[in-house]
Amino acid sequence: QVQLKETGPDLVQPTQTLSITCTVSGFSLTTYNVHWVRQPPGKGLEWMGAMGNGGGTDYHSAFKSRLSISRDTSKSQVFLKMNSLQTDDTAKYFCARAYGTYDVMDAWGQGASVTVSS
Amino acid sequence: DIVMTQTPSSQAVSAGEKVTMSCKSSQSLLSSQNRNNYLAWYQQKPGQSPKLLISWASTGESGVPDRFIGSGSGTDFTLTISSVQSEDLAVYYCEQYYDFPRTFGGGTKLELK
Repeated sequence: QVQLKETGPDLVQPTQTLSITCTVSGFSLTTYNVHWVRQPPGKGLEWMGAMGNGGGTDYHSAFKSRLSISRDTSKSQVFLKMNSLQTDDTAKYFCARAYGTYDVMDAWGQGASVTVSS
Repeated sequence: DIVMTQTPSSQAVSAGEKVTMSCKSSQSLLSSQNRNNYLAWYQQKPGQSPKLLISWASTGESGVPDRFIGSGSGTDFTLTISSVQSEDLAVYYCEQYYDFPRTFGGGTKLELK
């Protein structure tokens, strides 16, 4: 069945780089897009960016200068890297798939909780 | 960016009640090419990831109970729960996928009265 699973550190120090891996199964990264969405504790959802099925990327301008999304199709993995972390980057980070560029996110991972603190 | 505004932010309900919640977008989500509204509704229970309920403003996802009804077009959308059950207590988010960046409403939290 369709699964997405995020893995990453629980704790990151301020100014450091966050790296999270989304490992997918039950579908192909060459057919589906994968989005990254984050949710600060007790707050709403914020779209960060996406990896397209053709390998192209889209980023929210709020993160564009410090966010990078890449993939390894042979391992069915999509990677999020964000540098210059601050305390307000503390959040749960979700990956989610969508069939088309302009399509809904129909399956989500359980999320990776990241705390930014010294 | 398209701004999504949800009201109310929270609502206290009793089991069996009919519930409606609103989502308004700062620009039309209706495509002139295919006449589809690029609006989704998600349900998020505590400690869980969002679950897709409704796509294209009114198309229920497979397995979603038919008490969840999406309606609206253009800039004004509504999610109706015809008879709320205890398992429906959650936060509901609308999302536009008409344009990038994708944007979400602030959510409507359903609580027990």
